Amino acid sequence: DGGITQSPKYLFRKEGQNVTLSCEQNLNHDAMYWYRQDPGQGLRLIYYSQIVNDFQKGDIAEGYSVSREKKESFPLTVTSAQKNPTAFYLCASSRGQGVETQYFGPGTRLLVL
Amino acid sequence: SQKIEQNSEALNIQEGKTATLTCNYTNYSPAYLQWYRQDPGRGPVFLLLIRENEKEKRKERLKVTFDTTLKQSLFHITASQPADSATYLCALDDTGTASKLTFGTGTRLQVTL
Repeated sequence: DGGITQSPKYLFRKEGQNVTLSCEQNLNHDAMYWYRQDPGQGLRLIYYSQIVNDFQKGDIAEGYSVSREKKESFPLTVTSAQKNPTAFYLCASSRGQGVETQYFGPGTRLLVL
Repeated sequence: SQKIEQNSEALNIQEGKTATLTCNYTNYSPAYLQWYRQDPGRGPVFLLLIRENEKEKRKERLKVTFDTTLKQSLFHITASQPADSATYLCALDDTGTASKLTFGTGTRLQVTL
């Protein structure tokens, strides 16, 4: 079964804690993305990666970090510097060539305790 | 500044009618525009893509138009069904690749019996 998986479905963060959201894809896609979605707002791009070992900041990268050591994996760390982390986080991937669509994972909802 | 606008108010229509959703943009020169469907608590799913040189694209009961002069896309669902109830997002990219899609806030469609 090809697709994108995100884990966990729900994640709780304590004050001052870093947490890492997992994103894995078996679609053999080169490009991967992380978005944040808040109620009543559209998806906002946090980071994206077009190739292994390379990534770029999106529109709201502050307080977040990523790595892309493997083609299949693009984990997102929400650091303690992110003061308002409560949101729905979506990972997506695309082939990374030409005009194409993005395929999304099921999302992770992050809540602050 | 760049902006993508979708009607933030929910659209309520009766089953069997045609639903029309609007996506307006400013200060973009998109090479193409995409429409996605998002159900509550889930990731968006791609529906249709239309390029700047295309006026209209159809897929089953779905139709998308793209007017680069008006800077507007219309998304139509004919013979709407309760199962069509969801939030519909438009997204555009003016770099000619999928590397940075910008999403609108989405319009929630409710189809009633």
